[in-house]
Amino acid sequence: RKEVEQDPGPFNVPEGATVAFNCTYSNSASQSFFWYRQDCRKEPKLLMSVYSSGNEDGRFTAQLNRASQYISLLIRDSKLSDSATYLCVVNKAGYSTLTFGKGTMLLVSP
Amino acid sequence: NAGVTQTPKFRILKIGQSMTLQCAQDMNHNYMYWYRQDPGMGLKLIYYSVGAGITDKGEVPNGYNVSRSTTEDFPLRLELAAPSQTSVYFCASRSVGGSGANVLTFGAGSRLTVL
Repeated sequence: RKEVEQDPGPFNVPEGATVAFNCTYSNSASQSFFWYRQDCRKEPKLLMSVYSSGNEDGRFTAQLNRASQYISLLIRDSKLSDSATYLCVVNKAGYSTLTFGKGTMLLVSP
Repeated sequence: NAGVTQTPKFRILKIGQSMTLQCAQDMNHNYMYWYRQDPGMGLKLIYYSVGAGITDKGEVPNGYNVSRSTTEDFPLRLELAAPSQTSVYFCASRSVGGSGANVLTFGAGSRLTVL
């Protein structure tokens, strides 16, 4: 089982739709969780950290389920500008490196 | 704040040539990383450093070397370039403590083509 797994997509949704991505991680010692966004041919940028109690930032909501070892990202009222690849990133306690999922591609159409 | 600065942005190399990709950060981050990303693929860790004078291999270190003589700079050297090293290279850094702990900041990338 890969350390961090994501559905590669693409997820094709119309503007205004709600879309959700999941990411599973295999190591129960994982401590910190993040969603990054990567636009085509650009560098990844932090979208949001994921906290145990769940957190929201505008149209974006992140959830963590430690028991089932997955995190989720919900995007409401999708915009054309949300089209990107969304990367799940996990950090294990005491490790110097972070583990990236391969990303989920989202395409929002008019 | 400039953040993480990478140079050059683009480079074409001939097989067998060598070059150095430069990376500098002005955030006083201890941890720095080099990743490569092939078209349509995920990020792969090449090398990383947890502080000046300390470097370690990632999952794909062959054909590369790094050094970390200062906190700010983390150059990546390609020796004897091969077509398989055609990729986009990203440098990143992060702090260890504080509110931004574990959050990676990336440079804009260096696109390398080996012909």
